[in-house]
Amino acid sequence: AQSVTQPDIHITVSEGASLELRCNYSYGATPYLFWYVQSPGQGLQLLLKYFSGDTLVQGIKGFEAEFKRSQSSFNLRKPSVHWSDAAEYFCAVGWGMGGSQGNLIFGKGTKLSVKP
Amino acid sequence: DAGITQSPRYKITETGRQVTLMCHQTWSHSYMFWYRQDLGHGLRLIYYSAAADITDKGEVPDGYVVSRSKTENFPLTLESATRSQTSVYFCASTPDSAYNEQFFGPGTRLTVL
Repeated sequence: AQSVTQPDIHITVSEGASLELRCNYSYGATPYLFWYVQSPGQGLQLLLKYFSGDTLVQGIKGFEAEFKRSQSSFNLRKPSVHWSDAAEYFCAVGWGMGGSQGNLIFGKGTKLSVKP
Repeated sequence: DAGITQSPRYKITETGRQVTLMCHQTWSHSYMFWYRQDLGHGLRLIYYSAAADITDKGEVPDGYVVSRSKTENFPLTLESATRSQTSVYFCASTPDSAYNEQFFGPGTRLTVL
């Protein structure tokens, strides 16, 4: 079965430092890749998505992610973290197979804390 | 543009009671989804619907019932609530394409005593 792994449950970074959140998915056909952010008490908001083309995608709030097919990864990065980036981040992958077309599989999330 | 709404936002109920969580979207999206979010598990798909009157099970469907008589509504019913169903429930929707982003509602926090 397809799966999505976010190896880091909780990451703490200092404000202004760079950030990389990891996401790996199990082997399958070309996936469709997403990163969502969830602020406390809120729903999920899309940060960025990859369907095809340039493997480095830009998103909102200064985030970017790079798709590496050879590593089955889609890591999220930000060069300089702001205190307002403290939230939980979810990687999601879709394969759109048959009856489950439209479904996404989510990782378990990485909680980001930002130190002043 | 109201988007996707969920009601109630908070609900406390007792074991054995029936509870219905409502989800309404104004975009006429074909696909709608119900997830539950639990610490350590991330989001798990309960049920989804590809169109009105078409529903299918997700990863964790036991104890839940859904219906979709109208495109814009996708209620989730717990027929006999159990403590293990204490969770935050999110509804989401997406247009016809399988590869568009899912748009999430604000969530319903359900506590079963």
